[in-house]
Amino acid sequence: AQTVTQSQPEMSVQEAETVTLSCTYDTSESNYYLFWYKQPPSRQMILVIRQEAYKQQNATENRFSVNFQKAAKSFSLKISDSQLGDTAMYFCAFMKYYGGSQGNLIFGKGTKLSVKP
Amino acid sequence: NAGVMQNPRHLVRRRGQEARLRCSPVKGHSHVYWYRQLPEEGLKFMVYLQKENIIDESGMPKERFSAEFPKEGPSILRIQQVVRGDSAAYFCASSPDRVYSPLHFGNGTRLTVT
Repeated sequence: AQTVTQSQPEMSVQEAETVTLSCTYDTSESNYYLFWYKQPPSRQMILVIRQEAYKQQNATENRFSVNFQKAAKSFSLKISDSQLGDTAMYFCAFMKYYGGSQGNLIFGKGTKLSVKP
Repeated sequence: NAGVMQNPRHLVRRRGQEARLRCSPVKGHSHVYWYRQLPEEGLKFMVYLQKENIIDESGMPKERFSAEFPKEGPSILRIQQVVRGDSAAYFCASSPDRVYSPLHFGNGTRLTVT
C-alpha cells in the first residue's frame, strides 16, 4: 500500500521569503504521479503543481517549484516570494497509474502554512 | 464553465437520520470520486464511480454508506443512520474520460451529526 508522509504539521514564513514544505512517500510502483494541493480556509482544494514520476525534470509553476528525488521518494514544494494569499493547508498526494486508467489520490496529513506580513 | 458543484455546503443531522450529499461534476466529466476529510487530517478516498458504475469502493465503509452516479443527474453519497463519527467534510472530485487528468474538486459538504 502507498503512504504519503508530511512531517511538518505547521510552518510559518515572512512575506516575500522562501519556504520549503517536505513530503515523502512509499510505493513499489514505477509509474505514478505526485501532486501538491492547497486548501485555504474556504475549504476549496486547489491544484498547485504536479509531477510525473517518469520525468526527471522538476515541475515549476510560477512561484511554485518541486524538488523530486525519485530514489529517495521525496517530493518537496518550494514557494518563492511568499504572499499572504499563500496562507493555507498544503497537501502532498500520490496517484498510481495503471497504464490505461488512473487510480485514486492518496493524501498526506497536510502542512499548515502561515505567511506573516 | 462551472466547476464541481456540491450541495448542501453544510448539513446537520441527528444521530440515526439519513444524510444525502450531492455532487454535480464538471460538464463533460464522466468520472467522480468521493473523499472524506476528518478534522486535522488529509482527504481519504472513499469511492470512484463512472456513469452508472462503481469502479472502486475500497475506501467505503461496508455498512450504512452507499454511492451512485446515475446516467442523468448528480452523484449522490448516502449515509444511513448517521453517527457522531460520520461528522466530517465530504469532497467530490471529477475528471474527464482520458488517461491522467487532474482531479477537479468541489468545495465540500460539511456534515455535522448531533
